[in-house]
Amino acid sequence: DGGITQSPKYLFRKEGQNVTLSCEQNLNHDAMYWYRQDPGQGLRLIYYSQIVNDFQKGDIAEGYSVSREKKESFPLTVTSAQKNPTAFYLCATGGVWDDYGYTFGSGTRLTVV
Amino acid sequence: DQQVKQNSPSLSVQEGRISILNCDYTNSMFDYFLWYKKYPAEGPTFLISISSIKDKNEDGRFTVFLNKSAKHLSLHIVPSQPGDSAVYFCAASDAGGTSYGKLTFGQGTILTVHP
Repeated sequence: DGGITQSPKYLFRKEGQNVTLSCEQNLNHDAMYWYRQDPGQGLRLIYYSQIVNDFQKGDIAEGYSVSREKKESFPLTVTSAQKNPTAFYLCATGGVWDDYGYTFGSGTRLTVV
Repeated sequence: DQQVKQNSPSLSVQEGRISILNCDYTNSMFDYFLWYKKYPAEGPTFLISISSIKDKNEDGRFTVFLNKSAKHLSLHIVPSQPGDSAVYFCAASDAGGTSYGKLTFGQGTILTVHP
């Protein structure tokens, strides 16, 4: 059953800590994306990767880092440099050439405590 | 620069009536548009799409209209049902251009359908 899996669903971070959000897909897609959702702000692109071992900054990359060592995996690290990390994070795969555009994961809610 | 805008943060309609969600874009290179539906604490799911070679696409209760000259698209839901209550995102891309399939999203509109 093909899909995209994000974990954990809920994550709590202390001030000054780095945390890593997982995103795994078995749809054999080349492209993967990380978005952040805040109330009233819609979906804002953090990072994206078109191919293994390559990734590009999105609109709000500051305070985040990613890696793309495998086609299936695109983890996002929220570093201590991210000033306001509390948000809902969404991973997606696919592209406009696919019938459905993106397939999204179910998201990770990150809260700073 | 917000290239895709959904100017109505929320919309409230009665069950059985029509819901009309609007979306404007500024990038004339956009040639493919999609609507996604999102429930709280879940990822968005695809609803309907339209290519710039069309001005209308229909799928059951959902119809998307595209007005290229006005750079405007709208999603019509008829009849609206309480289960349609969700956040709706408009998205756009220049499929044949340099975005490599990357989608640009609007801010979203919260639709509430009252029984």
